Amino acid sequence: EIVMTQSPATLSVSPGERATLSCRASQSVNSNLAWYQQKPGQAPRLLIYGASTRATGVPARFSGSGSGTEFTLTISSLQSEDFAVYYCQEHHTWPRVTFGAGTKVDIK
Amino acid sequence: QVHLVQSGAEVKKPGASLRLSCKASGYTFINYILHWVRQAPGQGLEWMALINPNGGSTGYAQKFQGRVTLTRDTSTSRVHMEMSSLRSDDTAVYYCARSFGDYVVLDYWGQGTLVTVSS
Repeated sequence: EIVMTQSPATLSVSPGERATLSCRASQSVNSNLAWYQQKPGQAPRLLIYGASTRATGVPARFSGSGSGTEFTLTISSLQSEDFAVYYCQEHHTWPRVTFGAGTKVDIK
Repeated sequence: QVHLVQSGAEVKKPGASLRLSCKASGYTFINYILHWVRQAPGQGLEWMALINPNGGSTGYAQKFQGRVTLTRDTSTSRVHMEMSSLRSDDTAVYYCARSFGDYVVLDYWGQGTLVTVSS
């Protein structure tokens, strides 16, 4: 099983600032990495797949990068609605995928 | 538009069984694989199982093999998840979610069903 490690666990950011979230895979997943956003009481929402492809309707301030074992989600200028928990998920294995433990982005 | 609507909250005793449902609408049911993902209180996401509505083939995470069974009803565009021998650590929100393409990329999610297992 591929282990996904996210850092930091919590990221405190001021509105308008850039946020950089990291995700590391225990073995290469090529570019098969997705990011999800989850707000309290809501289901996760797909943001990024294939490491860098934004899902439909996702604002351009969200961008993903990386390949192999190291990945980054960048939110270029945090808006109030972006404070949430973000999960990475490898979609390299079929079908038994794994998620990271999440990074909580909160208001500084 | 795509909707996945799940059945309501459940309270079960340890050792009991559970049946959850997920109704799909807004797309061709048999064209997309459906998955179940759970989230224990304050915890992360855990992939459990999938079903291909086109034919009914299934796949399960090893820890749920033998305890979870997925079925589908193409006449009603529903998938069902049955889980047996419930334990307190099965207390979680259970989500159904749709994937597209050849990978487990979950583009639409149900609203979630809270399952509480308590004596």
